[in-house]
Amino acid sequence: DAKTTQPNSMESNEEEPVHLPCNHSTISGTDYIHWYRQLPSQGPEYVIHGLTSNVNNRMASLAIAEDRKSSTLILHRATLRDAAVYYCILDSGSARQLTFGSGTQLTVLP
Amino acid sequence: DVKVTQSSRYLVKRTGEKVFLECVQDMDHENMFWYRQDPGLGLRLIYFSYDVKMKEKGDIPEGYSVSREKKERFSLILESASTNQTSMYLCASSLMTSASSYEQYFGPGTRLTVT
Repeated sequence: DAKTTQPNSMESNEEEPVHLPCNHSTISGTDYIHWYRQLPSQGPEYVIHGLTSNVNNRMASLAIAEDRKSSTLILHRATLRDAAVYYCILDSGSARQLTFGSGTQLTVLP
Repeated sequence: DVKVTQSSRYLVKRTGEKVFLECVQDMDHENMFWYRQDPGLGLRLIYFSYDVKMKEKGDIPEGYSVSREKKERFSLILESASTNQTSMYLCASSLMTSASSYEQYFGPGTRLTVT
């Protein structure tokens, strides 16, 4: 299975943009890139996903490199409530499972 | 909004007991999943189901079974609980769509302690 690599932790100041990187150099042509986040004491929450083009939704933006070997989750204005573990996941569309790695712990400083 | 509920947030059971964890979703999703989450190991898939009475093993099915008698309900059963099954258990559901990918909606989790 294709794997993803993320930094263990990142810090951001409140109300500033945050760029969370993810490397997936072995991604296949049919793999979708998903992002989830997990707030303390809660189940993971879907954030966004994409295949080739950049994607925007109410929570975040996803920027996908042209070669698809990396992607960046962008939170446009971090709030204290965005402090969470962010997971970058590849999905082959098998409808079988998502494989969660260790993710990036985002700390938002007031 | 999709809602996935789990029967308990916290559960304490004794070794050897049979344990039932219940999960209900209210959005008519075809797919349902059971994961466990442990520090340093991330989320690992135990079982999933893509239809009523259908199930498939995930990565770590040993010591567990599942039941899906109704579309909205997916139960995880620990036949004889052991201390190494102490963990956070997470249920999720998703649509089975014609698209190649989909998002999963997770419940709040059940923290099970086996003593």
